[in-house]
Amino acid sequence: KQEVTQIPAALSVPEGENLVLNCSFTDSAIYNLQWFRQDPGKGLTSLLLIQSSQREQTSGRLNASLDKSSGRSTLYIAASQPGDSATYLCAVMDSSYKLIFGSGTRLLVRP
Amino acid sequence: DVKVTQSSRYLVKRTGEKVFLECVQDMDHENMFWYRQDPGLGLRLIYFSYDVKMKEKGDIPEGYSVSREKKERFSLILESASTNQTSMYLCASSFTPDSYEQYFGPGTRLTVT
Repeated sequence: KQEVTQIPAALSVPEGENLVLNCSFTDSAIYNLQWFRQDPGKGLTSLLLIQSSQREQTSGRLNASLDKSSGRSTLYIAASQPGDSATYLCAVMDSSYKLIFGSGTRLLVRP
Repeated sequence: DVKVTQSSRYLVKRTGEKVFLECVQDMDHENMFWYRQDPGLGLRLIYFSYDVKMKEKGDIPEGYSVSREKKERFSLILESASTNQTSMYLCASSFTPDSYEQYFGPGTRLTVT
């Protein structure tokens, strides 16, 4: 059974720092991996999607990488800002087209 | 922009009531999903649908049913609400099952008293 783990569970950094969020999954048979952002009490906003054949995707200050063979993905946020404060969720799409979510990393960027 | 809307942001219902949660997407997506999100348990898939009148059980379908009479609309039904169904409910849609992003609605926070 696919399991997705995110480390750390919470992170607090000063504004301007570059940071890395980690996601690991147990079964490498995935279709894609998606990173989401969730603000308190709100829905999920898709940030980046990486297909299983891809190694990375970039959008602005965000860069996500995928190493399927080792079951790992990272989300790199450059020059963090207070507006980046949110919970970041990673999810993998398994062989039955279901999204399996990690429990998230709660990020606080201090001014 | 893809838009997924949910009928209510907040809902309070009594134990035993029949509850309807509505989700509408405006991008002609084939696939629609219902999740619930609970602290410490993350997001869990309740039901999904790949086409009109088609439905499949997710990981936690007990106590729920769904209806998809039109492509753009996917309803989650709690036949007899119970307190353990108090949760945040999130609807999502995607164009195809495997290659495209899932887009989420804003969520409905349901409280059953």
